[in-house]
Amino acid sequence: QKEVEQNSGPLSVPEGAIASLNCTYSDRGSQSFFWYRQYSGKSPELIMSIYSNGDKEDGRFTAQLNKASQYVSLLIRDSQPSDSATYLCAVSSNDYKLSFGAGTTVTVRA
Amino acid sequence: DVKVTQSSRYLVKRTGEKVFLECVQDMDHENMFWYRQDPGLGLRLIYFSYDVKMKEKGDIPEGYSVSREKKERFSLILESASTNQTSMYLCASSSPTGTGGETQYFGPGTRLLVL
Repeated sequence: QKEVEQNSGPLSVPEGAIASLNCTYSDRGSQSFFWYRQYSGKSPELIMSIYSNGDKEDGRFTAQLNKASQYVSLLIRDSQPSDSATYLCAVSSNDYKLSFGAGTTVTVRA
Repeated sequence: DVKVTQSSRYLVKRTGEKVFLECVQDMDHENMFWYRQDPGLGLRLIYFSYDVKMKEKGDIPEGYSVSREKKERFSLILESASTNQTSMYLCASSSPTGTGGETQYFGPGTRLLVL
């Protein structure tokens, strides 16, 4: 079974700081990487996808991928209270199935 | 916008009952998925379907079955509900992104309590 590990939370950051979330995966054949945000009681929503090594920026979010190290991360800059949620890392190989990590809960303190 | 809907937000059932959870997507997606989500365990894949009448087992199919008679609709069936099936059930559908990956879109979820 493909494994996806995320750094255990909860992660508490002050408003305006950078939140750093990490994810490692076991399947070297993984091709696609996703970060989902899930608010309490809600379903996951996609915030970032990344497919090649390096950084990908979208607003205050930056995803970083290093396939050699089997590592993907998400940085949230200028963290806001509305960023308080659980962040799920998901990984896919050549098929269309996703393997999810258990999630990291982020709390942004005002 | 992609829309995935699930028939119920909350359900309470008794042990031994047959339970149907329905999912409908409006984007003509080929692939549909059923997950359950439990605290500390993340999302676990129960079943998925890549075409009408086609299905494949996921990681935890025991105690569940599925039906896909139409492309837009994917049903999860608990043949005889048990208390360990109390969970949040999430349906998703996916489309190719054009860069080799598939983006999954989730429904709002059904929180099932089995008494």
